[in-house]
Amino acid sequence: GNSVTQMEGPVTLSEEAFLTINCTYTATGYPSLFWYVQYPGEGLQLLLKATKADDKGSNKGFEATYRKETTSFHLEKGSVQVSDSAVYFCALEISNFGNEKLTFGTGTRLTIIP
Amino acid sequence: DGGITQSPKYLFRKEGQNVTLSCEQNLNHDAMYWYRQDPGQGLRLIYYSQIVNDFQKGDIAEGYSVSREKKESFPLTVTSAQKNPTAFYLCASSMLATQYFGPGTRLTVL
Repeated sequence: GNSVTQMEGPVTLSEEAFLTINCTYTATGYPSLFWYVQYPGEGLQLLLKATKADDKGSNKGFEATYRKETTSFHLEKGSVQVSDSAVYFCALEISNFGNEKLTFGTGTRLTIIP
Repeated sequence: DGGITQSPKYLFRKEGQNVTLSCEQNLNHDAMYWYRQDPGQGLRLIYYSQIVNDFQKGDIAEGYSVSREKKESFPLTVTSAQKNPTAFYLCASSMLATQYFGPGTRLTVL
């Protein structure tokens, strides 16, 4: 079956530090990969995505590269801000004749301290 | 403004009562989804619908029911058969293989 494994949190960093949140996956077929962010008390927002191997998704200073050889999609940011504090979810989707279902990781809580 | 709305944001019910959570979208998306989120856990799929008048069970459908009478609406009913209904419920819709989420409804059963 399909599964996503994320780096366990919580992760606490100082402002302007470099961020990496690890994500690896297991999938049958060729998945699309996503990072979603959830701020306290809110729904999920799409942060970035990549649909094929070697694609790089990027948004708001965050980046992730689809690595088929290591089945990974690690999230990185060069200099984090307090406003980046949230829970981050890695997810994969395999489209099957229009039947699109996401498989999520358990989430990584990130706290940035000033 | 286009988007997905869920109401209410907070909902309280007594044990044994059915409750219906609203989800509306004006994005003209065909597919809609319901997820449940428990503290410290990822999202689990309850039901999904690819087109009007059709829906399928997800991974944890027991104790829940849905309807899809209109493209823009996908209400979820949490029945008294759901043993642990207290959770955060998220609705999503999708276009071009990307899902977009509503703000969620936090249901507390007393």
